Amino acid sequence: AQSVTQLGSHVSVSEGALVLLRCNYSSSVPPYLFWYVQYPNQGLQLLLKYTSAATLVKGINGFEAEFKKSETSFHLTKPSAHMSDAAEYFCAVSQGFQKLVFGTGTRLLVSP
Amino acid sequence: EADIYQTPRYLVIGTGKKITLECSQTMGHDKMYWYQQDPGMELHLIHYSYGVNSTEKGDLSSESTVSRIRTEHFPLTLESARPSHTSQYLCASSESSPMQETQYFGPGTRLLVL
Repeated sequence: AQSVTQLGSHVSVSEGALVLLRCNYSSSVPPYLFWYVQYPNQGLQLLLKYTSAATLVKGINGFEAEFKKSETSFHLTKPSAHMSDAAEYFCAVSQGFQKLVFGTGTRLLVSP
Repeated sequence: EADIYQTPRYLVIGTGKKITLECSQTMGHDKMYWYQQDPGMELHLIHYSYGVNSTEKGDLSSESTVSRIRTEHFPLTLESARPSHTSQYLCASSESSPMQETQYFGPGTRLLVL
């Protein structure tokens, strides 16, 4: 069965610093991978997804993620953090039949 | 505008009451899902549907039930609410065509059972 592991329940960065949120997956078949963002008291919004096309995926709000099969990783990055990026970020893998398995989430804290 | 809606957004209710959480989508999607999310935790799939008259249980056992009489509507019901049902419930939908794995989420219903 597919699964994802998100390292670090909390990540703190300063405004303008690089954002790196880690996600490793386990899958017996080529996976579909997703990053979602959740702002307080809201649902999840899709940031980006990998569906076996380009390994570097660009998403909304300046985020991107790189699929590395050799490392079974799909880390999320943003060159320069903004205060508005403070939120909970979830990595997810598709189990097929469009069922998603989510990681435990990483809360991004951005300080001025 | 195509979207997915959930009502109510917040609900405080006493033990033993029957409740229905509403979810509607105007995106024309066949597949719909219910997730349960405890504070600071991951989402767990509790129900899903491939289309009208189709309902399946998810990975996390739940005492709730769902129905799918219309494509756009996927309500979740708890016959007798208990404090252990306190959680956030998120509804989502997706297209049914292959390669369209993206799920779109509603804003969620935060339920507190006293």
